[in-house]
Amino acid sequence: DTEVTQTPKHLVMGMTNKKSLKCEQHMGHRAMYWYKQKAKKPPELMFVYSYEKLSINESVPSRFSPECPNSSLLNLHLHALQPEDSALYLCASSVQGAMETQYFGPGTRLLVL
Amino acid sequence: AQSVTQLGSHVSVSEGALVLLRCNYSSSVPPYLFWYVQYPNQGLQLLLKYTTGATLVKGINGFEAEFKKSETSFHLTKPSAHMSDAAEYFCAVSGFQGAQKLVFGQGTRLTINP
Repeated sequence: DTEVTQTPKHLVMGMTNKKSLKCEQHMGHRAMYWYKQKAKKPPELMFVYSYEKLSINESVPSRFSPECPNSSLLNLHLHALQPEDSALYLCASSVQGAMETQYFGPGTRLLVL
Repeated sequence: AQSVTQLGSHVSVSEGALVLLRCNYSSSVPPYLFWYVQYPNQGLQLLLKYTTGATLVKGINGFEAEFKKSETSFHLTKPSAHMSDAAEYFCAVSGFQGAQKLVFGQGTRLTINP
């Protein structure tokens, strides 16, 4: 099973709402990632969790709050977002290390009104 | 620092023709190189990767790429394009020891003409 699942597939939220994105993998991977992808652009790394600890934060605004409750789950909590945060949010996982393949989920398409 | 340049944001070929997508990288350490494909409204799927060893790498769906250190290139090819190959293709590099940062190129949109 090389699948990374993400829920929901689509999300519309207002600027005062609080919502969460969820990502799950059952491949035994110990590294998990959040990316943001704007239309016609490459994915931009937001966060990396390694062995359930935050190892990389790419200077992401605090209105995005990641959480890794266990080795299979990754959440992204959203609060007070701006319209420019509308994008496709991709989750990925890998065994560990720079040479390892990152497996991507299908993404959550977020629209902030 | 590492970077990736994909030459041509849009490539169009006829069905059955050769596909060539260009990727050049910059890296201060031995690079690990990847090609990913993204179909509309989907996540990214790995086509192939180079880590060490043989410089000609074969991937899924008939794609292959050759690592050329002297040219700092990792171009993606497929001998005969199929309509189902229409997608966005991303070249990526990593290589930080112990880290997992993938640096992506800007992407190349491949269009297949019937």
